[in-house]
This record gives sequence, C-alpha cells and structure tokens, in this order.
Amino acid sequence: EPEVTQTPSHQVTQMGQEVILRCVPISNHLYFYWYRQILGQKVEFLVSFYNNEISEKSEIFDDQFSVERPDGSNFTLKIRSTKLEDSAMYFCASRGQGAPPQHFGDGTRLSIL
Amino acid sequence: DAKTTQPNSMESNEEEPVHLPCNHSTISGTDYIHWYRQLPSQGPEYVIHGLTSNVNNRMASLAIAEDRKSSTLILHRATLRDAAVYYCILRIDFGNEKLTFGTGTRLTIIP
Repeated sequence: EPEVTQTPSHQVTQMGQEVILRCVPISNHLYFYWYRQILGQKVEFLVSFYNNEISEKSEIFDDQFSVERPDGSNFTLKIRSTKLEDSAMYFCASRGQGAPPQHFGDGTRLSIL
Repeated sequence: DAKTTQPNSMESNEEEPVHLPCNHSTISGTDYIHWYRQLPSQGPEYVIHGLTSNVNNRMASLAIAEDRKSSTLILHRATLRDAAVYYCILRIDFGNEKLTFGTGTRLTIIP
C-alpha cells in the first residue's frame, strides 16, 4: 500500500539554525499538509498546500516557516531560525482528489538544543 | 468549529468488542464524522468516516445516532495492536480542509 515517507526520522539542530524537513507524499495525491505535535500535546495543523500554493495556515506558521514542492515529488517544510519551542514531532500528510482521508507519515522528531 | 467530546481513556480486554463514544451535539448538516487513531510513535492513521448512515470497513464500524449528535466507533475484536489514541473529528469534506485534533481517547488493551 502506498505510504507517505518522511526524512529524517530524527533531526537535532542548534537553536537559530535553519532546518528542512522532507516528505514524499503518495504519488497521485494533490493536497499536502504539515502538522506538528509537541510532546504530550495535541496534533496541531500548520499549513495546507494545493496547486503549488498555500491554501491555509495556522497562527503557528509564521514568517519563520515556509513550504515548498520543489520537484513534483518532495514536499518540504523549512524553519529559518529555529527556537527551542519548535521542538516537536512534525507530520506530513497528503490526500487525493475526492478522497477524504489524509494519509500521514510517521513523522520527524525535531530536537532544538 | 463544531466540537467533539470523548472520554480521556478506556480499557478493553483483548479479543472483545470495543465501543468508543463521541459526542458532537453542535454538529452541522455538512459535517462528516471522521475517526483517526495514533499508535505509539506513529503518525495519525485514518480509520473510518461517515455522514448519516452507519459505515463498515475492514478496520471498524461507525454507528451514527439518528440525530447525529453522537457516534460510536466499534472495534469488533480488539487486538493488542489496537492500543492507540482514537480521535473523533468533524470535518466538512471538500477542498483541502484541515483536520482539527482534540485530545482523543487513549485505548488500552488488556491481554
């Protein structure tokens, strides 16, 4: 069964550094999402992306965050200058046309030191 | 957004049916009821969804009250692998609508 893959599984970064989290969505999907989950807390929506542009973003997704679909297969989340509070699991999800379920990857654990 | 209410935790014995309740008294006519689950150290996983009628798939059944103000996710024969946090989410199914997760129900399966 097709699945969403995320790399790396764990990323450790110094505060203030840039980080890029990578996702390969399911190949025929058109809608893409990033969520995050701080340890012990709820899964929170960050951003949705369709037709090469952001459809919706949450308050968390400020100017330090950006998303890109550089080559038609990868979907990336960049954090320009990481803060301690960015430490969390980041989940990528994708969804097909007319098919309601979102399919999630197993996440990237981001640890900011 | 219409809200859902779920018990914080539930326990069930292995190989027995599990009924996970969800209240959504402010549901609107266009809201679909979605269930996702999150196994330990994994991303959320779609389980089932429905609008008005009861639904069955290979993972579970969804029973929706006639007034749609509550629903129940039914796992017919729980296994240890079903231990997870189960989320009941209301969502309008068009476009790229985001999922809004609550705290869910943590299901423990007793061997």
